[in-house]
Amino acid sequence: TQLLEQSPQFLSIQEGENLTVYCNSSSVFSSLQWYRQEPGEGPVLLVTVVTGGEVKKLKRLTFQFGDARKDSSLHITAAQPGDTGLYLCAGLPITQGGSEKLVFGKGTKLTVNP
Amino acid sequence: KAGVTQTPRYLIKTRGQQVTLSCSPISGHRSVSWYQQTPGQGLQFLFEYFSETQRNKGNFPGRFSGRQFSNSRSEMNVSTLELGDSALYLCASSLAGGAMGSPLHFGNGTRLTVT
Repeated sequence: TQLLEQSPQFLSIQEGENLTVYCNSSSVFSSLQWYRQEPGEGPVLLVTVVTGGEVKKLKRLTFQFGDARKDSSLHITAAQPGDTGLYLCAGLPITQGGSEKLVFGKGTKLTVNP
Repeated sequence: KAGVTQTPRYLIKTRGQQVTLSCSPISGHRSVSWYQQTPGQGLQFLFEYFSETQRNKGNFPGRFSGRQFSNSRSEMNVSTLELGDSALYLCASSLAGGAMGSPLHFGNGTRLTVT
C-alpha cells in the first residue's frame, strides 16, 4: 500500500486555467515536501511545510499542509506551459522508535497546453 | 556550486550481469540517498549513507548494495540483474539526510535498461 496517495494521477489543461493536486494519507507527517520533476531530470524541491494548517506561496503556486498533518495540496493559478512536469509529494512519517524514511507519492503528471 | 552528478546517464545490461552506478554529491553534503523510479511504483527508497555508514535501508533484496567513500561520493551496485531492475536510479544529497527533513538535491539519474 502507498503511504502517500496523490491525485489526480494525470492532468492535462489549457494555459491560463487553475488546478489543484492533492497528497493524502492516513498517517501523520512531521513535514511534507513538494518536488517537480521535468523529463530527463531529477526532482527539484519546491517547498517544505512543517506546521499543520500552514500555507506557503511561491509565485503562482500555493501549498497547504492539512491541520492534522495528514494531507497537503498544491494549487496553481493561471497555469503556464513551463509548469508542465511530474509533481511529487514526499513526507516524513512520525514513527514510534522506528527509523524514519522519507516516503514519496507516485506523483501527478501535469501537462499544460499552450 | 556544482549540483549532484550521476554517471553514467544511460546503461544497457543483460540479465545476470552486474552494474555499478556512481554519484558525486554537492560539496559539503554528507548524506547520499538512492532511489529507484519506475512508472508503476514511483520513487522507492533504496538506502541512505551518511559519513560512510549506511543509516537507512529500504525494502530491496540483497542484490542491491551501496557504499560511500570518505569524500562523500557514493556508488550503488546491483548484482544478478533482472528485467524488473530496469528503472531510473536517482541519487540525492543533503546536509543532514531525508530522515531529518533536510531538503534533497537530486541528480538527473542513471537510466538502466536490462535486456
